[in-house]
Order: sequence, then structure tokens, then C-alpha cells
Amino acid sequence: DAGVIQSPRHEVTEMGQEVTLRCKPISGHDYLFWYRQTMMRGLELLIYFNNNVPIDDSGMPEDRFSAKMPNASFSTLKIQPSEPRDSAVYFCASSPSAGLAGYYEQYFGPGTRLTVT
Amino acid sequence: ELKVEQNPLFLSMQEGKNYTIYCNYSTTSDRLYWYRQDPGKSLESLFVLLSNGAVKQEGRLMASLDTKARLSTLHITAAVHDLSATYFCAVDEGGGADGLTFGKGTHLIIQP
Repeated sequence: DAGVIQSPRHEVTEMGQEVTLRCKPISGHDYLFWYRQTMMRGLELLIYFNNNVPIDDSGMPEDRFSAKMPNASFSTLKIQPSEPRDSAVYFCASSPSAGLAGYYEQYFGPGTRLTVT
Repeated sequence: ELKVEQNPLFLSMQEGKNYTIYCNYSTTSDRLYWYRQDPGKSLESLFVLLSNGAVKQEGRLMASLDTKARLSTLHITAAVHDLSATYFCAVDEGGGADGLTFGKGTHLIIQP
């Protein structure tokens, strides 16, 4: 398996522009998570989906952020309009159901480094 | 609100030495995860600890979990330069795949 795929890997945009980050989870995984990593705040959970349905978006910082998962193999995180404080590395992770293992091991994608100028 | 605290946040040590990274958390969860992150890279899963008293070892790294003390440790034995990285502990709040709450990370530098 190719693992979790994210695109683009790097994005530089100007303040006020719309930014769309993309994620393809590992096939067969039921859960998809979006995290943000900054020096100041560390790694933060933004939102997660189970079977394509958003379960908890309490970590989404503002209404400027939105996420969708139209099918089991694709998710987007959109920021509109973008601001300099949105500059961060955004990670997507996916996980299978716990099953007999009893835990949800998350597999992280390579991340998208976003710079908003 | 779940809190996960790691210490130290920064550690510089010499090859061949032993050291321990500590992870305290505020929930009753009995599932704790350790990840490694190299500069500019993604997170790599190291250990998953699922119960009180769990101990796992891989090479020079050993992780343990004390759920009563809400404490996990990551012990490094006879450190080598290749172990230089940032190490994160993370906790899920149990009951399902609620996403992970991460500590701030321990930036470890091992000098020859």
C-alpha cells in the first residue's frame, strides 16, 4: 500500500486566497483525521471522519476552515480566506477500526507545509 | 480537557548515555502512543501501550505505561546519533477513535 497520500506537499499563498489540501487515506481504513502542527501549539486535532461522516469538528479553529470527505478515498481541508496565522504543517492520518486489536493505530501522511504571506 | 505533558522538551545528550523521557496525562485512558518525527518528516509510530504495566522494547528504546500514575516513560539505552529526532507521546480518550491528543514533543539531539 502507498500509505496516506497528501497533496500538495508545499503550498505558498497570499493572504485572502483560498487553499485546498487533499488527502487519500489508506484503502480500507474507516477513520480519517486532520491535524495541524505549529511550533507554538504543537500537534492539534482539527476534525475527524468515520465512514466519510464528520464526527467531531470541535478542533476547527474558525469558520474559515471546512473539511469534506465525499467518499472513502478522498478528503479535503479548505481554508477560505487564508491568513498568515494559518501557516503550519497539516497532516492527514487514517486508521482502521479497532477490531480485535482494541486500539486505533493512526498512519500519518507526509503532510502539507502551508505558508500564507 | 485532556492534557498531555512531556518533559523534558529539549534534551541534548552524548552517545552511549542513557536517558528517560516522561509523559504525564490527565485522563483515565489506558491507551498511550509514542511517535517519532524526523525534521521535515511525518510521524512514525513507535509503540502502542494498551494496559497498565505494559512494556514494549525495540532496539535501544523501551516504553512503559503506568495508568494509575497516568505516566508513560520512553527510555533510551546507550544512545546513538541515529536516534536524534523529536519524540511525541499521545493519548486517546478511550471509547473510540476520538483522535489523539499529543504532548509538545521532546526534541532529542544525540551528539557523537
